[in-house]
Amino acid sequence: AQSVTQLGSHVSVSEGALVLLRCNYSSSVPPYLFWYVQYPNQGLQLLLKYTTGATLVKGINGFEAEFKKSETSFHLTKPSAHMSDAAEYFCAVSGVAGNQFYFGTGTSLTVIP
Amino acid sequence: AAGVIQSPRHLIKEKRETATLKCYPIPRHDTVYWYQQGPGQDPQFLISFYEKMQSDKGSIPDRFSAQQFSDYHSELNMSSLELGDSALYFCASSLGTSDEQYFGPGTRLTVT
Repeated sequence: AQSVTQLGSHVSVSEGALVLLRCNYSSSVPPYLFWYVQYPNQGLQLLLKYTTGATLVKGINGFEAEFKKSETSFHLTKPSAHMSDAAEYFCAVSGVAGNQFYFGTGTSLTVIP
Repeated sequence: AAGVIQSPRHLIKEKRETATLKCYPIPRHDTVYWYQQGPGQDPQFLISFYEKMQSDKGSIPDRFSAQQFSDYHSELNMSSLELGDSALYFCASSLGTSDEQYFGPGTRLTVT
């Protein structure tokens, strides 16, 4: 079975500061891991994904995440927050390609000017 | 590039009514997934179809049914609507067993 835990339902950072959104997963098989961003009243947009290969994954808008098997983590980072980064962020896991996604409860990111 | 299309974008229904949500996957995608996202909650998987056959089933109520048609679009039929069915319903599509699911903008269903 797969599941995701996102630590911190709300995160606030100053503009220009480091963004760190935490995600820990549980999976009985090698996981596929994803980060999605959701802006108000909009759908889910894929930021980045890890399937196999390099454990440091770079995504859109300057975000990146590192898959750490030993820590069962897939934290999302961005060196410098921008006002436009304010949104809801969801971490998701699936165990097999083409299988259903299990989402975390989401982290709402606020960027303070 | 073409994206996943969902219609309608907004739907208001009364309790005990029925609703039909439609999803048009990205061209050439043959797999469709349905998710329900309640207010302030994470998306929950309902059901998926691959090549017009149900491939996986999640927490879909018995009052709901879905199917995928020959053109690969999918419809989610919801009957005897309850207040608790008010949510954002996402459809996602993928190419076969591709790991990446592309999400549509969602249909916001409000049950009054």
